[in-house]
Amino acid sequence: EAQVTQNPRYLITVTGKKLTVTCSQNMNHEYMSWYRQDPGLGLRQIYYSMNVEVTDKGDVPEGYKVSRKEKRNFPLILESPSPNQTSLYFCASSLSFNQPQHFGDGTRLSIL
Amino acid sequence: GENVEQHPSTLSVQEGDSAVIKCTYSDSASNYFPWYKQELGKRPQLIIDIRSNVGEKKDQRIAVTLNKTAKHFSLHITETQPEDSAVYFCAASSPDRGSTLGRLYFGRGTQLTVWP
Repeated sequence: EAQVTQNPRYLITVTGKKLTVTCSQNMNHEYMSWYRQDPGLGLRQIYYSMNVEVTDKGDVPEGYKVSRKEKRNFPLILESPSPNQTSLYFCASSLSFNQPQHFGDGTRLSIL
Repeated sequence: GENVEQHPSTLSVQEGDSAVIKCTYSDSASNYFPWYKQELGKRPQLIIDIRSNVGEKKDQRIAVTLNKTAKHFSLHITETQPEDSAVYFCAASSPDRGSTLGRLYFGRGTQLTVWP
């Protein structure tokens, strides 16, 4: 089954404790993105990647890192999480930036 | 970069009525315009998309229109049903500009409620 898999689905953690949210897709897609969703603000792009080793900042990259060492994986790293990063996070993949995006089921992060 | 504005932010309609959501974009080079539906607690899912060489596209009760000159596009839902209640997002894709890669820009979403 074609899908985008995010882990974990839920996480409660504390300020400053490094965490990684994994994202994997099995559709051989070139393009992958991370979004955060907050009430009233819609989907804001954090980082995106056109291909392996090619990434760029989105609208809200501060406090986040990404890497794209393999085509299928695009982890989101919070080196020193803070409460303002409490949010719902979505990973998405597509053949290209102008093709339909497939979203994962989301990761709800709470940082205390 | 691209700026996508979406209106209204909330929309309530009676079952059976039509609903229209409008988006404007700023980059005349944008060439792909998808619409996503997000039900409560679920992930966004593509419901319809349109490319810049087409003015209108229909899929059963939903349609999208694009006016490239005015730089706006709209989602039309006819004969609305309670299961159409969701948040709808429009988006526009802007091509590679040298300093930034090609990417998709989303509007802030419209909460559609369909009352039985």
